[in-house]
Amino acid sequence: DVKVTQSSRYLVKRTGEKVFLECVQDMDHENMFWYRQDPGLGLRLIYFSYDVKMKEKGDIPEGYSVSREKKERFSLILESASTNQTSMYLCASIREGRGYLSTDTQYFGPGTRLTVL
Amino acid sequence: AQTVTQSQPEMSVQEAETVTLSCTYDTSESDYYLFWYKQPPSRQMILVIRQEAYKQQNATENRFSVNFQKAAKSFSLKISDSQLGDAAMYFCAYRGGTNAGKSTFGDGTTLTVKP
Repeated sequence: DVKVTQSSRYLVKRTGEKVFLECVQDMDHENMFWYRQDPGLGLRLIYFSYDVKMKEKGDIPEGYSVSREKKERFSLILESASTNQTSMYLCASIREGRGYLSTDTQYFGPGTRLTVL
Repeated sequence: AQTVTQSQPEMSVQEAETVTLSCTYDTSESDYYLFWYKQPPSRQMILVIRQEAYKQQNATENRFSVNFQKAAKSFSLKISDSQLGDAAMYFCAYRGGTNAGKSTFGDGTTLTVKP
């Protein structure tokens, strides 16, 4: 079974703090994603990475950065957390990289519920 | 840009009954895939069913089936013989283009199953 894990289920931070959310997948997947989930807004893509050290902006990248130094690990960084970044953050991965349309299953982590005070 | 619309924020169904969740999408692409995901309360999102746009036959997975109307850009999910464990938020998702796995999600439908 593919497993996607996230470093924390719940996180509380103060405004202005630097926040790291980590995601690890154990099936050698090429492509990894960070989504933000808010009520009534569904899942919105923040960033994704189709290879080590590669990244592409999603639909809402402002206020976020990412890092992928190893294939299995994809980190989301909030350089200076703000209250409007209070949300559920979901990590996901898929086997194939970019260049073609994939029918592969996208696997999700359990989510990190971040509260910024 | 592609959009996915789920017009029913909440639905409820009696146990053992059938319920249909609606999804419409907008795209100019000819090749794409559509998915339904289930997110139980406090649990991980999992894939329920997928449909390839080039296939005319509707996908089926046990009690879950879809009604895919390509011309109408409609992709509804039917859950038969509903069970208490089906209670969850359901997301419709569109995947197209060549960025493998990049998907656009609807806003979700919360399904309640009444005993």
